[in-house]
Amino acid sequence: GENVEQHPSTLSVQEGDSAVIKCTYSDSASNYFPWYKQELGKGPQLIIDIRSNVGEKKDQRIAVTLNKTAKHFSLHITETQPEDSAVYFCAVVGYTGGFKTIFGAGTRLFVKA
Amino acid sequence: KAGVTQTPRYLIKTRGQQVTLSCSPISGHRSVSWYQQTPGQGLQFLFEYFSETQRNKGNFPGRFSGRQFSNSRSEMNVSTLELGDSALYLCASSGQGNSGNTIYFGEGSWLTVV
Repeated sequence: GENVEQHPSTLSVQEGDSAVIKCTYSDSASNYFPWYKQELGKGPQLIIDIRSNVGEKKDQRIAVTLNKTAKHFSLHITETQPEDSAVYFCAVVGYTGGFKTIFGAGTRLFVKA
Repeated sequence: KAGVTQTPRYLIKTRGQQVTLSCSPISGHRSVSWYQQTPGQGLQFLFEYFSETQRNKGNFPGRFSGRQFSNSRSEMNVSTLELGDSALYLCASSGQGNSGNTIYFGEGSWLTVV
């Protein structure tokens, strides 16, 4: 089955710096790659996603890049702010009779003011 | 549009008991999936239901089961609870069309087994 690896597990940056989280996956048939942000005590919230026919997507301070050949994708957060502190999960979606979303282990991001 | 609603939010059960968790998906969404979240194991896929049928299942023992009703609401049940079942149980729903494979999570049900 699909396997998703996410790095780093913990990331600490200074406010205003950039943060990059990377994920690799194993199933080349996977075609949809969402990112979720989970704040303490809440469920994960979708923040950005990318489909396999696109190499890069940007939404204000957040961007995602996808390299289908190498089977890896990354989340980039620029000009980080304290409210960006949370756990971020990458996910890979494939279809086996129904859509199945497999998550990375998560990255705990700390933004120091 | 209301989001995914899960009940109860918090509960404490004793080993050996059983528990039922409920999930109401976003209006119009027909797919409901369940995940178990623990600090050590991250988000683990339990199962996915669509139109009252289980389409996908994760690697959990048979003590974990679920069902979906005709109005797309879903329940999951855990029987003979073990201490290791303590976790946050998340329900997610997804719709149709191009966004059909985007899942939206509820706030979760925190289960503590003592």
